[in-house]
Amino acid sequence: QKEVEQNSGPLSVPEGAIASLNCTYSDRGSQSFFWYRQYSGKSPELIMSIYSNGDKEDGRFTAQLNKASQYVSLLIRDSQPSDSATYLCAVNLSGSEKLVFGKGTKLTVNP
Amino acid sequence: DAGVIQSPRHEVTEMGQEVTLRCKPISGHNSLFWYRQTMMRGLELLIYFNNNVPIDDSGMPEDRFSAKMPNASFSTLKIQPSEPRDSAVYFCASSFPGNYQPQHFGDGTRLSIL
Repeated sequence: QKEVEQNSGPLSVPEGAIASLNCTYSDRGSQSFFWYRQYSGKSPELIMSIYSNGDKEDGRFTAQLNKASQYVSLLIRDSQPSDSATYLCAVNLSGSEKLVFGKGTKLTVNP
Repeated sequence: DAGVIQSPRHEVTEMGQEVTLRCKPISGHNSLFWYRQTMMRGLELLIYFNNNVPIDDSGMPEDRFSAKMPNASFSTLKIQPSEPRDSAVYFCASSFPGNYQPQHFGDGTRLSIL
């Protein structure tokens, strides 16, 4: 059973701080990694994708991938109350279009 | 551009009734995915299609669940007969084909079986 593990949280940070979200996965052959944001009662929304080792930055968001350690992370700089949501890590199964999702980390940014 | 469109948004029905959920993928997306989300189990893939053909239905919980994709712009997920444990939010997602493509989600159907 291929798994994706995330700290369930909740993770609470003050406004303006850096929020760090972590994810590990078991399928060593995975090639595609995604972070989704899900507000309460809403659908998952894609915010970042990463395919190569290293960092990928998009605005206040930075995704980090280390395939050797089977580890993906998402950093949110200058956190805002509007960033308060559940963040889902998704990893594709090797040789497949299927994504396995972690159960998500609930982030609260306090004003 | 229109995103993935699901209907209905909410469905409340009694145990034993047939339930049909509908999905229209993003135009040009050849892959379509049905998910179920619950607090206990998180987001689980039920089935996915590529070019209207079911590729993997290993996540379908039992024979009461069936899914079809008669054409590139429409898919249904049917539960017959429905049971209270089927209560969940059901999402449809679509993507361009390929292992590197992100999936885009519809707004979901919140299903309650009484």
